[in-house]
Amino acid sequence: SYELTQPPSVSVSPGQTASITCSGDKLGDKYAYWYQQKPGQSPILVIYQDNKRPSGIPERFSGSNSGNTATLTISGTQAMDEADYSCQAWDGSTAVFGGGTKLTVL
Amino acid sequence: QVQLQQSGPGLVKPSQTLSLTCVISGDSVSSNTAAWNWIRRSPSRGLEWLGRTYYRSKWFNNYAVSMKSRITINPDTSKNQFSLQLNSVTPEDTAMYYCARDPAAGGPFDYWGQGTLVTVSS
Repeated sequence: SYELTQPPSVSVSPGQTASITCSGDKLGDKYAYWYQQKPGQSPILVIYQDNKRPSGIPERFSGSNSGNTATLTISGTQAMDEADYSCQAWDGSTAVFGGGTKLTVL
Repeated sequence: QVQLQQSGPGLVKPSQTLSLTCVISGDSVSSNTAAWNWIRRSPSRGLEWLGRTYYRSKWFNNYAVSMKSRITINPDTSKNQFSLQLNSVTPEDTAMYYCARDPAAGGPFDYWGQGTLVTVSS
């Protein structure tokens, strides 16, 4: 079965750039999606179709996808960005999520 | 604006059936473009897609391979909702369960329910 791999944790200082990777076999041939989830809340879509931002998502969130790796980049990271981030792709008719990355802003 | 409202018990005994419902407003379970999904999150496994139902002149279902023998997702057009049934639950099925819309059956999950914490315990 298809698998997506993320680092369990990433730390960043306020105002710096955070990069969260998601790896999967030929992931670049699929669309990658990214979700943010804060404690006690439902996930929120922050990037779709590799690099598109839904309405209401700040411009500091961006995405890329090539080869075997998709990357979520948060520029000028703010304390409010501290959350779990999960990538997702479709493998045929099955949705697959990465294991999630806890972003700590310190 | 699409809203998804979940309901169902928060405690299920081992070997019994977990049943949850997701009521849709602002869209239709019979949409010819959207798909209606169940997803869960546990500390050990992160987000895990369970399956979906969607309508394209007839009803289709897709399920995660790991769930296939135990799961049923059904639409209810009279109430504009869809449901999850998971049979023979074990403590490993303890998780936060979410319903979610995919606007294009192969796109992102753009609207989510509020979540239901289901604990499997005797």
